[in-house]
Amino acid sequence: NAGVTQTPKFRVLKTGQSMTLLCAQDMNHEYMYWYRQDPGMGLRLIHYSVGEGTTAKGEVPDGYNVSRLKKQNFLLGLESAAPSQTSVYFCASTDGGVQETQYFGPGTRLLVL
Amino acid sequence: GDSVTQMEGPVTLSEEAFLTINCTYTATGYPSLFWYVQYPGEGLQLLLKATKADDKGSNKGFEATYRKETTSFHLEKGSVQVSDSAVYFCALSLYNFNKFYFGSGTKLNVKP
Repeated sequence: NAGVTQTPKFRVLKTGQSMTLLCAQDMNHEYMYWYRQDPGMGLRLIHYSVGEGTTAKGEVPDGYNVSRLKKQNFLLGLESAAPSQTSVYFCASTDGGVQETQYFGPGTRLLVL
Repeated sequence: GDSVTQMEGPVTLSEEAFLTINCTYTATGYPSLFWYVQYPGEGLQLLLKATKADDKGSNKGFEATYRKETTSFHLEKGSVQVSDSAVYFCALSLYNFNKFYFGSGTKLNVKP
């Protein structure tokens, strides 16, 4: 039982390049989330999904797109990377219900030059 | 709007000292409250949670009590260890597509 995994662990991009971050969970969770973590700002929600085929915007969605084609996978895309997107990205999942715990992946460190 | 405010760090303590990290929240409904811990280079892990007023969450010597009257969920530990050095996040969840709101995190450094 791997829990939540993220690929890649680290990536360097040049401004304007594109990339996709992959999140996978093996707990059959309905809800999945993408956050970014910046110094002094805690975690900010980028996009989330309440089930296969659904996505919704979070607090800071601009510059990112997401897809949830399979229940176990949640992809985060950057179409044209900018230095402001340098951050650590975390994926999380939960089974639903206000009492449920979020399970986090190990994070992806992204540097945009 | 819904939000979480926690004390800024870093907090530096000597081993075996008493720890308090303050957390207050604003929520329109009846949230569940959580403390997560993040060790260097890792993702967040659940430390403890409380789902209704006056509940006490506890784990690994840490405790926090859900105080509705003061909208607080302060984290305490009677005797910290070097291995407790990490960043601690207070969070709340509301039954709104399970959105979670996180505080900005408090870094704890414990010196031997």
